[in-house]
Amino acid sequence: GAVVSQHPSRVICKSGTSVKIECRSLDFQATTMFWYRQFPKKSLMLMATSNEGSKATYEQGVEKDKFLINHASLTLSTLTVTSAHPEDSSFYICSASPSGSRYNEQFFGPGTRLTVL
Amino acid sequence: AQKITQTQPGMFVQEKEAVTLDCTYDTSDQSYGLFWYKQPSSGEMIFLIYQGSYDEQNATEGRYSLNFQKARKSANLVISASQLGDSAMYFCAMRVGQYGNKLVFGAGTILRVKS
Repeated sequence: GAVVSQHPSRVICKSGTSVKIECRSLDFQATTMFWYRQFPKKSLMLMATSNEGSKATYEQGVEKDKFLINHASLTLSTLTVTSAHPEDSSFYICSASPSGSRYNEQFFGPGTRLTVL
Repeated sequence: AQKITQTQPGMFVQEKEAVTLDCTYDTSDQSYGLFWYKQPSSGEMIFLIYQGSYDEQNATEGRYSLNFQKARKSANLVISASQLGDSAMYFCAMRVGQYGNKLVFGAGTILRVKS
């Protein structure tokens, strides 16, 4: 149990376009999901906390107009990178914690590798 | 502020031997949780082990054990009988936040198991 999926796994786009990444909890409901960004061989940086039915909470330094988050249902959160630029190229990972999990641990999606040309 | 420090950028271990990956943390909270995750080259994050701040015994999960020294604020991961498949990036993380549901990650340690 506790499977989180992401789509797409890999995307290449032109500078100036917008890219939407989906994060789904497949076998549990998640009122809260998290979005991280990871540069090569670096740690995960929390970008925002996605809350079902309300606005996302962004970490300091993360542009909320640049990285739009929508948590439309208890199993789906989306991250849209608007007007993407090469510096937005990164590995984006989402996570969620099923209620009642043993340690309230976060289960992670497989990640989405974004390359902006 | 909450912070996780992993001072070993990379480690080598001989297959079948044990290895310790270091993690120290900083928090003023009395209640917190510490996690270790493994990230293979494929990118997915795999949960390994958890230690709660009030847990009196060190956590163990199969070949993984956590050497929790609360006074020293350290939570080192011990992998016994290393296998080639253990080669990966390992992250120590701490649960923080108002509702204790956000994770702060360390910089990670790359482990390479030699045959």
